[in-house]
Amino acid sequence: EPEVTQTPSHQVTQMGQEVILRCVPISNHLYFYWYRQILGQKVEFLVSFYNNEISEKSEIFDDQFSVERPDGSNFTLKIRSTKLEDSAMYFCASRDSTRYNEQFFGPGTRLTVL
Amino acid sequence: AQTVTQSQPEMSVQEAETVTLSCTYDTSENNYYLFWYKQPPSRQMILVIRQEAYKQQNATENRFSVNFQKAAKSFSLKISDSQLGDTAMYFCASFSGTSGSRLTFGEGTQLTVNP
Repeated sequence: EPEVTQTPSHQVTQMGQEVILRCVPISNHLYFYWYRQILGQKVEFLVSFYNNEISEKSEIFDDQFSVERPDGSNFTLKIRSTKLEDSAMYFCASRDSTRYNEQFFGPGTRLTVL
Repeated sequence: AQTVTQSQPEMSVQEAETVTLSCTYDTSENNYYLFWYKQPPSRQMILVIRQEAYKQQNATENRFSVNFQKAAKSFSLKISDSQLGDTAMYFCASFSGTSGSRLTFGEGTQLTVNP
């Protein structure tokens, strides 16, 4: 069965550095998402993306964050200047428009900001 | 806005027994979907079961079933014949296509299946 993939699985960075988290959604999916989960907490929505533009973003998704679909397969989340509190697991998800609105999640990228 | 609440931070069950995880939600939408996701120690999010709000019949997937009480806004997950591999964090989540495309998650319930 097709799956969402994410790279890297673990990223360690220094505070203030830029990071790019990469995702390859399922190929025929049209809607893309980023969520984050701080250790021990609930999963929180960051942003959704459809038709090459952001369709919704949460209050967490401030100017430090951006998303891009640079080609037909990748979907990236960029954090411009990381802070300690950005340390979390970041999940990418995708869905098509027909399958009962199920979002398929990638395995996640663990981001550690030192 | 949608909210999802899971009031049981931790639960445990003996192997082969049945356990029920609770979830309540709040939404003003008429058209919405409810999900249970499983997150094992690998932290992968795996869909366990889904329920369309317009369907009265409770969803079932093998050993997993839900008790969907629309008027009470309750959506509990029952796991029958619990297995050691069921040990995981379980998240209840809601989705409404009319008020945005996000999934809203509950706080999670850590389920431990004991041998």
